[in-house]
Amino acid sequence: NAGVMQNPRHLVRRRGQEARLRCSPMKGHSHVYWYRQLPEEGLKFMVYLQKENIIDESGMPKERFSAEFPKEGPSILRIQQVVRGDSAAYFCASSPLAAQETQYFGPGTRLLVL
Amino acid sequence: GESVGLHLPTLSVQEGDNSIINCAYSNSASDYFIWYKQESGKGPQFIIDIRSNMDKRQGQRVTVLLNKTVKHLSLQIAATQPGDSAVYFCAERSTNAGKSTFGDGTTLTVKP
Repeated sequence: NAGVMQNPRHLVRRRGQEARLRCSPMKGHSHVYWYRQLPEEGLKFMVYLQKENIIDESGMPKERFSAEFPKEGPSILRIQQVVRGDSAAYFCASSPLAAQETQYFGPGTRLLVL
Repeated sequence: GESVGLHLPTLSVQEGDNSIINCAYSNSASDYFIWYKQESGKGPQFIIDIRSNMDKRQGQRVTVLLNKTVKHLSLQIAATQPGDSAVYFCAERSTNAGKSTFGDGTTLTVKP
């Protein structure tokens, strides 16, 4: 029973490039959450998605960031025109249902912007 | 605004001793609380949770206590082992909200 999968585990981009982070939830889970973690800090909520729907994007920066969770395939967090401040660990979590269920986290993608 | 904070950034204990990690929260609407353990280079790992209709919940070697009056949460680890060394985060959620709000973490170091 595989857990939450994220890829790539490490991603290096130059300023101005695009970063695409992928998350495959646990089997049977239809809710996905993205969090960002800066060094020496806690996780900050970014976005909550169900299949084909964005439920809460209150933590997403207004520009350059977007997320999707299509009917088929993994959830994608996309960062356009990356800047050095985007360097962080990005974690995905999933749950079977939303409000009353535990969120299980993936191993994260560590993004480094040069 | 809502926030979740930890009282101490680091905690060092001797192997075999009990550990207590504290957390304060400010959102009165929060009704679900979770403790996560994060080892270096890994994602947060669920340890234990508690809902607001409870004051205490026990797991294997871990106990979570919730004091809603003072908005305080604690994690107790019995007979701490070297493998318990990690960063521990508390998080809170409100009913029907997918968003979890995390504290900044306490680094637990277990000395052999």
